[in-house]
Amino acid sequence: NAGVTQTPKFQVLKTGQSMTLQCAQDMNHNSMYWYRQDPGMGLRLIYYSASEGTTDKGEVPNGYNVSRLNKREFSLRLESAAPSQTSVYFCASRDRAIYNEQFFGPGTRLTVL
Amino acid sequence: AQKITQTQPGMFVQEKEAVTLDCTYDTSDPSYGLFWYKQPSSGEMIFLIYQGSYDQQNATEGRYSLNFQKARKSANLVISASQLGDSAMYFCAMRGSGYSSASKIIFGSGTRLSIRP
Repeated sequence: NAGVTQTPKFQVLKTGQSMTLQCAQDMNHNSMYWYRQDPGMGLRLIYYSASEGTTDKGEVPNGYNVSRLNKREFSLRLESAAPSQTSVYFCASRDRAIYNEQFFGPGTRLTVL
Repeated sequence: AQKITQTQPGMFVQEKEAVTLDCTYDTSDPSYGLFWYKQPSSGEMIFLIYQGSYDQQNATEGRYSLNFQKARKSANLVISASQLGDSAMYFCAMRGSGYSSASKIIFGSGTRLSIRP
């Protein structure tokens, strides 16, 4: 089992460019998440998907869009990148039971110049 | 709305001492759950312990225990007999209730714990 995989691992963009961060999990989990972590800070929830076919805004959704492509895959899109979106982006997945923990991917380090 | 607060940005503790990391929360959900995660300098997120709001006993997992005080809305992590490998960032997180809210998990700002030899 690969767990949660994210691509790419690193990315540098110029202001105004767009890109999509990919996330996939092979644990048959229902819920998936996107977080951002700024240096020395906690994780802030961007969007989450409670189950296939649903997505909901988190704490900081502005400037991002998501797609739950199928049960395995959850992508995050930056339509017009801004320097304020420089961060490490973590994808996570979780099974349905309320006590279950999240499993995290290794993160994508994004720099917007 | 849910909110998680960790008021200790950093802590230094002598090896083998016990340490308590503070976490307070606010929610209007009737039931909820609290998680603690560890993030070493390598960056991965490691799940430590979970406490449900209706659990009768405080959660324990090896050297980790959760001091859950529902009336005070606090869920502090206690690490007994600290080790050098415990040096890391520690995050408190919370989920709500309801079909969608039970999946929504937010994190606190974290506490950086440093263990002195």
